[in-house]
Amino acid sequence: AQSVTQPDIHITVSEGASLELRCNYSYGATPYLFWYVQSPGQGLQLLLKYFSGDTLVQGIKGFEAEFKRSQSSFNLRKPSVHWSDAAEYFCAVGSYSSASKIIFGSGTRLSIRP
Amino acid sequence: NAGVTQTPKFRVLKTGQSMTLLCAQDMNHEYMYWYRQDPGMGLRLIHYSVGEGTTAKGEVPDGYNVSRLKKQNFLLGLESAAPSQTSVYFCASSSLIGKGTEAFFGQGTRLTVV
Repeated sequence: AQSVTQPDIHITVSEGASLELRCNYSYGATPYLFWYVQSPGQGLQLLLKYFSGDTLVQGIKGFEAEFKRSQSSFNLRKPSVHWSDAAEYFCAVGSYSSASKIIFGSGTRLSIRP
Repeated sequence: NAGVTQTPKFRVLKTGQSMTLLCAQDMNHEYMYWYRQDPGMGLRLIHYSVGEGTTAKGEVPDGYNVSRLKKQNFLLGLESAAPSQTSVYFCASSSLIGKGTEAFFGQGTRLTVV
Protein backbone atom coordinates (compact mmCIF):
# COMPACT_ATOMS: atom_id res chain seq x y z
CA ALA A 1 0.00 0.00 0.00
CA GLN A 2 1.12 3.53 -0.67
CA SER A 3 2.17 5.64 2.29
CA VAL A 4 3.97 8.90 2.87
CA THR A 5 5.82 9.98 5.99
CA GLN A 6 6.79 13.52 6.85
CA PRO A 7 8.71 13.13 10.10
CA ASP A 8 8.83 16.82 10.99
CA ILE A 9 5.55 18.26 12.24
CA HIS A 10 6.82 21.81 12.69
CA ILE A 11 10.04 23.50 11.62
CA THR A 12 11.21 27.03 12.36
CA VAL A 13 14.01 28.61 10.34
CA SER A 14 15.41 32.10 10.18
CA GLU A 15 14.69 34.25 7.17
CA GLY A 16 17.51 33.83 4.67
CA ALA A 17 18.51 30.43 6.01
CA SER A 18 18.37 27.24 3.98
CA LEU A 19 15.53 24.78 4.30
CA GLU A 20 15.08 21.06 3.89
CA LEU A 21 11.77 19.30 4.49
CA ARG A 22 11.86 15.54 4.65
CA CYS A 23 9.57 13.10 2.90
CA ASN A 24 9.77 9.32 2.81
CA TYR A 25 7.41 7.13 0.82
CA SER A 26 6.51 3.51 0.62
CA TYR A 27 5.37 2.09 -2.67
CA GLY A 28 6.13 -1.08 -4.57
CA ALA A 29 6.40 0.35 -8.06
CA THR A 30 7.82 3.57 -9.43
CA PRO A 31 6.03 6.36 -7.63
CA TYR A 32 4.96 9.72 -8.85
CA LEU A 33 5.84 12.31 -6.22
CA PHE A 34 4.56 15.78 -5.46
CA TRP A 35 5.09 18.64 -3.08
CA TYR A 36 2.17 20.96 -2.36
CA VAL A 37 2.02 24.13 -0.27
CA GLN A 38 -0.97 25.41 1.65
CA SER A 39 -1.17 28.93 3.01
CA PRO A 40 -3.56 29.52 5.94
CA GLY A 41 -7.20 29.24 4.88
CA GLN A 42 -6.27 28.39 1.32
CA GLY A 43 -6.34 25.38 -0.95
CA LEU A 44 -3.28 23.45 -2.05
CA GLN A 45 -0.87 24.71 -4.68
CA LEU A 46 1.57 22.45 -6.50
CA LEU A 47 5.23 23.34 -5.91
CA LEU A 48 6.82 20.61 -8.00
CA LYS A 49 6.44 17.06 -9.19
CA TYR A 50 8.53 14.06 -10.19
CA PHE A 51 7.42 11.48 -12.72
CA SER A 52 10.61 10.26 -14.37
CA GLY A 53 13.97 11.40 -15.68
CA ASP A 54 16.21 13.81 -13.84
CA THR A 55 15.99 13.08 -10.14
CA LEU A 56 16.49 16.73 -9.20
CA VAL A 57 13.37 18.69 -10.03
CA GLN A 58 12.87 22.41 -9.93
CA GLY A 59 9.63 23.99 -8.84
CA ILE A 60 8.04 27.34 -8.34
CA LYS A 61 9.12 29.94 -5.77
CA GLY A 62 12.74 28.73 -5.84
CA PHE A 63 12.03 25.26 -4.43
CA GLU A 64 13.66 22.05 -5.58
CA ALA A 65 13.40 18.40 -4.58
CA GLU A 66 15.54 15.36 -5.13
CA PHE A 67 14.21 11.86 -5.68
CA LYS A 68 16.42 9.21 -4.10
CA ARG A 69 15.12 5.76 -4.89
CA SER A 70 17.64 4.00 -2.63
CA GLN A 71 16.42 5.98 0.36
CA SER A 72 12.74 6.16 -0.69
CA SER A 73 12.95 9.89 -0.15
CA PHE A 74 11.83 13.04 -1.91
CA ASN A 75 13.10 15.92 0.22
CA LEU A 76 12.18 19.52 -0.52
CA ARG A 77 14.86 22.20 -0.38
CA LYS A 78 15.24 25.93 -0.72
CA PRO A 79 18.57 27.74 -0.39
CA SER A 80 17.20 30.89 1.24
CA VAL A 81 13.73 31.18 2.73
CA HIS A 82 11.55 34.27 2.73
CA TRP A 83 8.93 35.24 5.29
CA SER A 84 6.26 34.52 2.67
CA ASP A 85 7.30 30.85 2.66
CA ALA A 86 5.60 30.34 6.03
CA ALA A 87 2.92 27.75 5.28
CA GLU A 88 2.16 24.06 5.53
CA TYR A 89 3.89 21.74 3.11
CA PHE A 90 2.59 18.38 2.00
CA CYS A 91 4.38 15.57 0.24
CA ALA A 92 2.21 13.21 -1.81
CA VAL A 93 2.65 10.01 -3.80
CA GLY A 94 0.61 8.78 -6.73
CA SER A 95 0.66 5.80 -9.02
CA TYR A 96 -0.44 4.99 -12.53
CA SER A 97 -2.80 2.07 -12.34
CA SER A 98 -6.43 1.30 -12.77
CA ALA A 99 -6.94 2.24 -9.13
CA SER A 100 -4.90 5.40 -9.25
CA LYS A 101 -5.06 7.65 -6.24
CA ILE A 102 -2.89 10.26 -4.54
CA ILE A 103 -1.92 9.81 -0.91
CA PHE A 104 -0.67 12.70 1.24
CA GLY A 105 1.68 12.91 4.17
CA SER A 106 0.59 14.56 7.39
CA GLY A 107 2.31 17.82 6.52
CA THR A 108 5.09 20.00 7.90
CA ARG A 109 4.29 23.44 9.18
CA LEU A 110 7.03 25.94 8.39
CA SER A 111 7.50 29.05 10.51
CA ILE A 112 9.97 31.79 9.62
CA ARG A 113 11.92 33.61 12.31
CA PRO A 114 12.55 37.29 11.40
CA ASN B 1 -10.57 29.48 -15.76
CA ALA B 2 -12.70 28.08 -12.95
CA GLY B 3 -10.69 24.87 -12.38
CA VAL B 4 -12.18 23.00 -9.42
CA THR B 5 -15.14 24.60 -7.67
CA GLN B 6 -16.58 23.44 -4.38
CA THR B 7 -19.93 24.43 -2.93
CA PRO B 8 -20.73 25.39 -0.28
CA LYS B 9 -17.63 27.01 1.25
CA PHE B 10 -18.94 26.89 4.81
CA ARG B 11 -21.67 24.89 6.50
CA VAL B 12 -22.87 24.18 10.01
CA LEU B 13 -24.92 21.03 10.57
CA LYS B 14 -26.65 19.56 13.55
CA THR B 15 -25.85 15.99 14.49
CA GLY B 16 -27.97 13.61 12.43
CA GLN B 17 -28.63 16.02 9.57
CA SER B 18 -27.67 15.17 6.03
CA MET B 19 -25.99 17.22 3.34
CA THR B 20 -24.26 16.98 0.00
CA LEU B 21 -21.05 18.71 -1.01
CA LEU B 22 -20.69 19.46 -4.69
CA CYS B 23 -17.44 19.46 -6.63
CA ALA B 24 -17.31 20.60 -10.24
CA GLN B 25 -14.32 20.67 -12.56
CA ASP B 26 -14.08 22.12 -16.04
CA MET B 27 -10.78 20.54 -17.11
CA ASN B 28 -12.26 17.32 -18.51
CA HIS B 29 -10.32 15.30 -15.93
CA GLU B 30 -10.95 11.61 -15.55
CA TYR B 31 -10.05 11.33 -11.85
CA MET B 32 -11.72 13.11 -8.97
CA TYR B 33 -11.06 12.87 -5.25
CA TRP B 34 -12.54 13.88 -1.92
CA TYR B 35 -10.19 14.49 1.01
CA ARG B 36 -10.70 15.65 4.55
CA GLN B 37 -8.10 17.71 6.36
CA ASP B 38 -7.75 17.61 10.12
CA PRO B 39 -5.03 19.23 12.26
CA GLY B 40 -1.93 17.09 12.46
CA MET B 41 -3.31 14.46 10.10
CA GLY B 42 -2.76 15.99 6.71
CA LEU B 43 -5.18 15.13 3.95
CA ARG B 44 -6.88 11.77 4.10
CA LEU B 45 -8.59 10.31 1.07
CA ILE B 46 -12.29 9.62 1.61
CA HIS B 47 -13.43 8.38 -1.80
CA TYR B 48 -12.25 8.78 -5.34
CA SER B 49 -13.43 8.16 -8.87
CA VAL B 50 -11.47 7.09 -11.92
CA GLY B 51 -14.24 7.94 -14.36
CA GLU B 52 -17.89 8.73 -14.87
CA GLY B 53 -20.11 6.20 -13.11
CA THR B 54 -17.28 4.71 -11.02
CA THR B 55 -16.31 5.29 -7.39
CA ALA B 56 -13.91 3.67 -4.95
CA LYS B 57 -13.15 3.83 -1.25
CA GLY B 58 -10.15 5.68 0.06
CA GLU B 59 -8.54 5.65 3.50
CA VAL B 60 -11.50 6.91 5.56
CA PRO B 61 -14.76 6.16 3.70
CA ASP B 62 -17.07 5.35 6.64
CA GLY B 63 -20.00 7.73 7.06
CA TYR B 64 -19.70 9.12 3.53
CA ASN B 65 -21.15 8.27 0.14
CA VAL B 66 -20.24 9.59 -3.28
CA SER B 67 -21.61 9.69 -6.78
CA ARG B 68 -20.13 10.54 -10.17
CA LEU B 69 -23.09 10.68 -12.51
CA LYS B 70 -21.43 13.23 -14.77
CA LYS B 71 -17.74 13.42 -15.59
CA GLN B 72 -17.44 16.99 -14.38
CA ASN B 73 -19.19 16.52 -11.03
CA PHE B 74 -18.31 14.52 -7.93
CA LEU B 75 -20.74 14.63 -5.01
CA LEU B 76 -19.91 13.81 -1.39
CA GLY B 77 -22.83 12.93 0.85
CA LEU B 78 -23.17 12.73 4.60
CA GLU B 79 -26.34 10.81 5.44
CA SER B 80 -26.27 11.37 9.20
CA ALA B 81 -23.66 13.90 10.25
CA ALA B 82 -21.59 13.30 13.37
CA PRO B 83 -19.31 15.72 15.27
CA SER B 84 -16.33 13.57 14.17
CA GLN B 85 -17.04 14.73 10.63
CA THR B 86 -16.21 18.31 11.52
CA SER B 87 -13.38 19.02 9.13
CA VAL B 88 -12.24 20.89 6.05
CA TYR B 89 -13.12 18.99 2.90
CA PHE B 90 -11.15 19.32 -0.30
CA CYS B 91 -12.06 18.11 -3.73
CA ALA B 92 -9.42 17.53 -6.37
CA SER B 93 -9.24 16.34 -9.94
CA SER B 94 -6.52 15.06 -12.21
CA SER B 95 -5.95 13.56 -15.59
CA LEU B 96 -4.32 10.17 -15.89
CA ILE B 97 -1.29 10.21 -13.60
CA GLY B 98 0.77 8.50 -16.26
CA LYS B 99 0.30 11.46 -18.55
CA GLY B 100 2.40 13.51 -16.19
CA THR B 101 -0.12 15.65 -14.40
CA GLU B 102 -0.90 16.53 -10.85
CA ALA B 103 -4.10 16.97 -8.86
CA PHE B 104 -5.79 20.34 -8.88
CA PHE B 105 -7.60 21.36 -5.73
CA GLY B 106 -10.68 23.33 -4.87
CA GLN B 107 -10.65 25.97 -2.16
CA GLY B 108 -12.21 23.72 0.45
CA THR B 109 -15.44 23.43 2.41
CA ARG B 110 -15.34 24.04 6.13
CA LEU B 111 -17.96 21.85 7.79
CA THR B 112 -18.89 22.05 11.45
CA VAL B 113 -21.18 19.46 13.01
CA VAL B 114 -22.65 20.50 16.35
